[in-house]
Amino acid sequence: DVKVTQSSRYLVKRTGEKVFLECVQDMDHENMFWYRQDPGLGLRLIYFSYDVKMKEKGDIPEGYSVSREKKERFSLILESASTNQTSMYLCASSPSGSGNTIYFGEGSWLTVV
Amino acid sequence: AQSVAQPEDQVNVAEGNPLTVKCTYSVSGNPYLFWYVQYPNRGLQFLLKYITGDNLVKGSYGFEAEFNKSQTSFHLKKPSALVSDSALYFCAVRFVSGGYNKLIFGAGTRLAVHP
Repeated sequence: DVKVTQSSRYLVKRTGEKVFLECVQDMDHENMFWYRQDPGLGLRLIYFSYDVKMKEKGDIPEGYSVSREKKERFSLILESASTNQTSMYLCASSPSGSGNTIYFGEGSWLTVV
Repeated sequence: AQSVAQPEDQVNVAEGNPLTVKCTYSVSGNPYLFWYVQYPNRGLQFLLKYITGDNLVKGSYGFEAEFNKSQTSFHLKKPSALVSDSALYFCAVRFVSGGYNKLIFGAGTRLAVHP
């Protein structure tokens, strides 16, 4: 079975803190993604990566950055957390190719106070 | 612009009755269509997908979906609903844009199955 692991399920951070959300997949997938999920808005793509050290902006990249130093790991960084970044963050991975399934982690609930 | 619509915020159905969760899409080119389910405080679980071939796709937990190209729809169905099917369901479409694969989601439909 594909496993996408998000290391932190629940976090509470203060405004202005730098926040790291870590994601690891164990299936040697080329593609990795970070989404945020908010009620009524569905899932919105923040950043994605198609290879090591490669990253592309999604639909809502402002206030975020990412790092992919190794194929299995994709980190989301909030440079200076703000209250409007309180959300559920979902990491996902897939093999390359449009027809391949994207597999999701269990999510990280981030609250910024 | 590419888009996915789930016209119903919530669907209510009695246990044992058939259920349908609706999805329509707007994508240029051939769409790759997916359904995911999300239980409370969990990530998304893959249910089924349509890539090509037979318009009726069977997936996990007894769910199936019918691809209708003329109506640009991909409705999720199940012949007999269970209370445990109560969850949030997302339709998604994957397509190529700017040389990259992208996956966009509908806003989600909450399914409530009543005993």
